[in-house]
Amino acid sequence: EAQVTQNPRYLITVTGKKLTVTCSQNMNHEYMSWYRQDPGLGLRQIYYSMNVEVTDKGDVPEGYKVSRKEKRNFPLILESPSPNQTSLYFCASSFTDSTDTQYFGPGTRLTVL
Amino acid sequence: DAKTTQPNSMESNEEEPVHLPCNHSTISGTDYIHWYRQLPSQGPEYVIHGLTSNVNNRMASLAIAEDRKSSTLILHRATLRDAAVYYCILEFSSNTGKLIFGQGTTLQVKP
Repeated sequence: EAQVTQNPRYLITVTGKKLTVTCSQNMNHEYMSWYRQDPGLGLRQIYYSMNVEVTDKGDVPEGYKVSRKEKRNFPLILESPSPNQTSLYFCASSFTDSTDTQYFGPGTRLTVL
Repeated sequence: DAKTTQPNSMESNEEEPVHLPCNHSTISGTDYIHWYRQLPSQGPEYVIHGLTSNVNNRMASLAIAEDRKSSTLILHRATLRDAAVYYCILEFSSNTGKLIFGQGTTLQVKP
């Protein structure tokens, strides 16, 4: 089944403890992206990647890192999480760029205490 | 950055057509107009997208104004399953992948 998977789905952590949220797609998509969703703010793009080893900042990249070493995986790294990064995170992918249909993962709900 | 403006909420009756408006007066010539929707407790899902001409697919139609400063998503017969938040999105510039989501319109569908 074609899908975007995220792990973990739920995570509660403490300030400063490094964490990684994984994202994987099995559709051979070149484009992948991370968003965060907060009440009243809608979805905001954090980082995106047009292809392996090619990444760029979205609207709210501060406090996040990404890497794209393989086409199928696009992990989101929080080196030193803070409470303002408590949010619902979505990974998305598409075949080429954002003009193509983007497929979203189920979401990761992160709480930073 | 090109922004979109949508009404916060709209209501519709089941089986009736729904017209969801979106204003994007600062759109550039290369910005695509995308519509996504988000059902409760799920990730967003693609609905439709277009550049200049009106577009149709099995889910909806997209009507784009001639000056491209506004567009309308048309659901021809609303069902209860169509109750969701609908987002009108501009691709910031062609081939960069940068998307900017607006606040979205919460659509309620009444039986």
